[in-house]
Amino acid sequence: AQRVTQPEKLLSVFKGAPVELKCNYSYSGSPELFWYVQYSRQRLQLLLRHISRESIKGFTADLNKGETSFHLKKPFAQEEDSAMYYCALLKNSGGYQKVTFGTGTKLQVIP
Amino acid sequence: EPEVTQTPSHQVTQMGQEVILRCVPISNHLYFYWYRQILGQKVEFLVSFYNNEISEKSEIFDDQFSVERPDGSNFTLKIRSTKLEDSAMYFCASEGSSGNTIYFGEGSWLTVV
Repeated sequence: AQRVTQPEKLLSVFKGAPVELKCNYSYSGSPELFWYVQYSRQRLQLLLRHISRESIKGFTADLNKGETSFHLKKPFAQEEDSAMYYCALLKNSGGYQKVTFGTGTKLQVIP
Repeated sequence: EPEVTQTPSHQVTQMGQEVILRCVPISNHLYFYWYRQILGQKVEFLVSFYNNEISEKSEIFDDQFSVERPDGSNFTLKIRSTKLEDSAMYFCASEGSSGNTIYFGEGSWLTVV
């Protein structure tokens, strides 16, 4: 069974400080991992996916298969980064995709 | 950018009543999903829908739940007889083809009283 774990419910950092949102996963196949962000009263939005290896809004995440982790990082937090962040694992099931979400981490950037 | 839209944004209903949550997926998308998030808990998969039939459903998606795409555009989730524990945010999502990004709607907040 696939599982995504986000150990921190809340992460508070000061503006300008580095951010690391932790995500660990368990999956028997080859994982495809994502980070979704949900700003206050807005929809879940895709932030980044590991296969694209891109940096969105200064965030990066590296898939570490040895540690089964996909931590989200940003070197300098900004106030507008305050939001809920969900790590998600994608399973391709015969054509359609099933997303398993972590419980989410609320990032609070203190001005 | 195309969006998945959901209505209503918030609905309050009495226990035992039927509720229909509506979703307009992105045009030309082929795969449709419903997810649920109970307050304070994680987002959970409910059901996936492709080619006018359910592809997979979770154990949450019991006989009181149903989905349909009656007119080729709207994708609806029906809860026949709501229970207090059905109170949650319900997210619709759609996807163009396998391997593409899943797009989520803003959610419909259902409160059962």
